[in-house]
Amino acid sequence: AQSVTQPDIHITVSEGASLELRCNYSYGATPYLFWYVQSPGQGLQLLLKYFSGDTLVQGIKGFEAEFKRSQSSFNLRKPSVHWSDAAEYFCAVGGLYSTFIFGSGTRLSVKP
Amino acid sequence: GAVVSQHPSWVICKSGTSVKIECRSLDFQATTMFWYRQFPKQSLMLMATSNEGSKATYEQGVEKDKFLINHASLTLSTLTVTSAHPEDSSFYICSARASPGTGTEQYFGPGTRLTVT
Repeated sequence: AQSVTQPDIHITVSEGASLELRCNYSYGATPYLFWYVQSPGQGLQLLLKYFSGDTLVQGIKGFEAEFKRSQSSFNLRKPSVHWSDAAEYFCAVGGLYSTFIFGSGTRLSVKP
Repeated sequence: GAVVSQHPSWVICKSGTSVKIECRSLDFQATTMFWYRQFPKQSLMLMATSNEGSKATYEQGVEKDKFLINHASLTLSTLTVTSAHPEDSSFYICSARASPGTGTEQYFGPGTRLTVT
């Protein structure tokens, strides 16, 4: 079955600390992987995506993610979190011509 | 580029009335648009996929007679919630894909919050 798992419902980090949000997927075909961020009451903004090639992808706002096929993971990282990064983060997987499957989301809180 | 708008951003309606939500791709042609529903503190649930000029494909459990989707042009899709009830209150988000087979990237609208009283 195709699925996306974000095991952490809520994470709190201190401002300036590093961040890693986990994402594991199960997908039968070549996966296209995405991370989106959603602020309260807003739509989704694409942070980064992986289609092929270099398994370490850089995104906006200083985020990066690493695709690990052997672990079926696509974890999101940021070396130094800013207070404005507090939001909900969604991992998604899709395939060519297919729809997206979203994870349940991870809410990030940032302590001053 | 690749901007998707939704209108209205927020709507309140009375139970039993119908509400139409528009989703527009502003600077690209969207051959495929998607409608999602999101409950508070939950993930996005795909409701339906619409391709320009053809009938929408609804996900299992979504009432197609209640959630009417029309994709009349390459830049506009509409979702009409018919005979709305309080349980239809939710955050509705649309997304658009520029063309088939281009990496499946979807561009999301800002969402529409529907409150049914």
